[in-house]
Amino acid sequence: DAGITQSPRHKVTETGTPVTLRCHQTENHRYMYWYRQDPGHGLRLIHYSYGVKDTDKGEVSDGYSVSRSKTEDFLLTLESATSSQTSVYFCAISPGLANTDTQYFGPGTRLTVL
Amino acid sequence: KQEVTQIPAALSVPEGENLVLNCSFTDSAIYNLQWFRQDPGKGLTSLLLIQSSQREQTSGRLNASLDKSSGRSTLYIAASQPGDSATYLCAVKYGGATNKLIFGTGTLLAVQP
Repeated sequence: DAGITQSPRHKVTETGTPVTLRCHQTENHRYMYWYRQDPGHGLRLIHYSYGVKDTDKGEVSDGYSVSRSKTEDFLLTLESATSSQTSVYFCAISPGLANTDTQYFGPGTRLTVL
Repeated sequence: KQEVTQIPAALSVPEGENLVLNCSFTDSAIYNLQWFRQDPGKGLTSLLLIQSSQREQTSGRLNASLDKSSGRSTLYIAASQPGDSATYLCAVKYGGATNKLIFGTGTLLAVQP
């Protein structure tokens, strides 16, 4: 398995509170991604990073921010959590953009916003 | 809009049966297509990756095909086993500088012993 960990694995929080999810990799891959998975929607890209301090928005970025100060860590922050952000969040990494490069996924974080 | 669709949403088969999962995509200008497996409460595991220039890929009992002109891919599982029970997701990568994937909603497979 690719060396990807996510923390916390489960979190329950209240509406309006800030939440930070962490993704840590030991593979030294350049690209890192945050997805959310919801019933009926599949996985949707929130934000991604193509290098230290280099990030960009994905399909569903509203209400989320990210930071990457080190190659191995990619943080996802919900500044003020809402019930619509209840979801399972997955981090993924990829070595590059070659046609044969796949993405490797972490175990996920289940977030519940009450 | 680039969309990926998987049919059926759920499938139940008896052990030993051969089966086919379907994936369709709206824009045929793909870079590659991947099939992933997801077990309950777990992350995704890549099964097969087909480049745009390829027609199929095989790994053990799994065979994935790609027909860009019709916007379709199939995942064939031979001699299914209870351990194959999982959700199977199809994802398409389009050209660009980001390696972003567009996922289907998956097919939940149950193989009955």
